[in-house]
Amino acid sequence: NAGVTQTPKFQVLKTGQSMTLQCAQDMNHNSMYWYRQDPGMGLRLIYYSASEGTTDKGEVPNGYNVSRLNKREFSLRLESAAPSQTSVYFCASSEVPNYGYTFGSGTRLTVV
Amino acid sequence: QKEVEQDPGPLSVPEGAIVSLNCTYSNSAFQYFMWYRQYSRKGPELLMYTYSSGNKEDGRFTAQVDKSSKYISLFIRDSQPSDSATYLCGRAAGNKLTFGGGTRVLVKP
Repeated sequence: NAGVTQTPKFQVLKTGQSMTLQCAQDMNHNSMYWYRQDPGMGLRLIYYSASEGTTDKGEVPNGYNVSRLNKREFSLRLESAAPSQTSVYFCASSEVPNYGYTFGSGTRLTVV
Repeated sequence: QKEVEQDPGPLSVPEGAIVSLNCTYSNSAFQYFMWYRQYSRKGPELLMYTYSSGNKEDGRFTAQVDKSSKYISLFIRDSQPSDSATYLCGRAAGNKLTFGGGTRVLVKP
């Protein structure tokens, strides 16, 4: 099983550029999440989707948008990248909210 | 005050020692707790999950919750070099899972 697949694994953007991080899960999970991880800050929730068709803001949503394309896919978009968005981004999914998250392997994003 | 606080370490122990990790939390709402292990350049993986006070064991791992003190702990017995990783505690309430900053553990052979 692939579990949670994130693409791309690495990306360098210039300030002001836009990009979409892709996430897909093959476990038929209902809930999906986007986190960012920064040194000393732990994992912080950006957006989540408790079920297909719904999305909600997390702790640090500013500068991001999300789309729950279908049950499998949940994308994260940066409309105008800023150096403060340099981070490692993790997508996760769970069968029910907050139980037994499965994480992807992360996308390392650098904004210069 | 952050919802979940965790000492960043690093915590260095010799192989075979007991590793003791702690987190404190600030909210008393109904909630449950979990511990994740994260190897370098990998995503976190779930180790333990508990919602009650007291101890929960799984092999070499024991998770402990003290709701009166708002304290959660993870103990790793007979630690191995393969246990070297960052350990994250998480608190789940409502639709939100909040993580501590993680403690880096190094088990030396």
